[in-house]
Amino acid sequence: AQSVTQPDIHITVSEGASLELRCNYSYGATPYLFWYVQSPGQGLQLLLKYFSGDTLVQGIKGFEAEFKRSQSSFNLRKPSVHWSDAAEYFCAVGAGDTDKLIFGTGTRLQVFP
Amino acid sequence: GAVVSQHPSRVICKSGTSVKIECRSLDFQATTMFWYRQFPKQSLMLMATSNEGSKATYEQGVEKDKFLINHASLTLSTLTVTSAHPEDSSFYICSAPNRAAAKNIQYFGAGTRLSVL
Repeated sequence: AQSVTQPDIHITVSEGASLELRCNYSYGATPYLFWYVQSPGQGLQLLLKYFSGDTLVQGIKGFEAEFKRSQSSFNLRKPSVHWSDAAEYFCAVGAGDTDKLIFGTGTRLQVFP
Repeated sequence: GAVVSQHPSRVICKSGTSVKIECRSLDFQATTMFWYRQFPKQSLMLMATSNEGSKATYEQGVEKDKFLINHASLTLSTLTVTSAHPEDSSFYICSAPNRAAAKNIQYFGAGTRLSVL
């Protein structure tokens, strides 16, 4: 069965610092991988996705993620965090043809000035 | 880009009443929509898959008679929480894939916060 693990429940960084949010997945085939961001009381916005090809994918708001098959990971990175990046971040794996998404437990990012 | 509208954004109701939540794809057709439930500071749990013109598919442990789903058109799915009780209070989110644009990318509504008194 597919599953997604986000080991870090809560991360705090200073504005301007670099960021890496971890995501590990379990899936039998080549996964479809996603990172979503959720602001308080809001829906989810897609940051980036990986389907195939180049393992380093660029997303919106300056985020990028790298797919590493050997480590079953899809970590999200940003070189310099802005205060507006404070939110909840969810990694998700797509279950093939069903369009279903399996979400990780999320990582809450707090940014200090 | 694809837009999914969810209404209402917040609802407060008395215990025992029913509440209907609407999910609309505004600029694309969606034969499938998904309903999620999110408890405070937790992840999204898939409740059911709404299928246009046919019965919804519920995830294990989700009460079909409690959470009625109707997908009557290619742009509208509704979730009705029947005889709501305080334990049904939660944040409900819908999503829809825009297969015409790109497979497997889902677009999310802004969510509905349900508070049952």
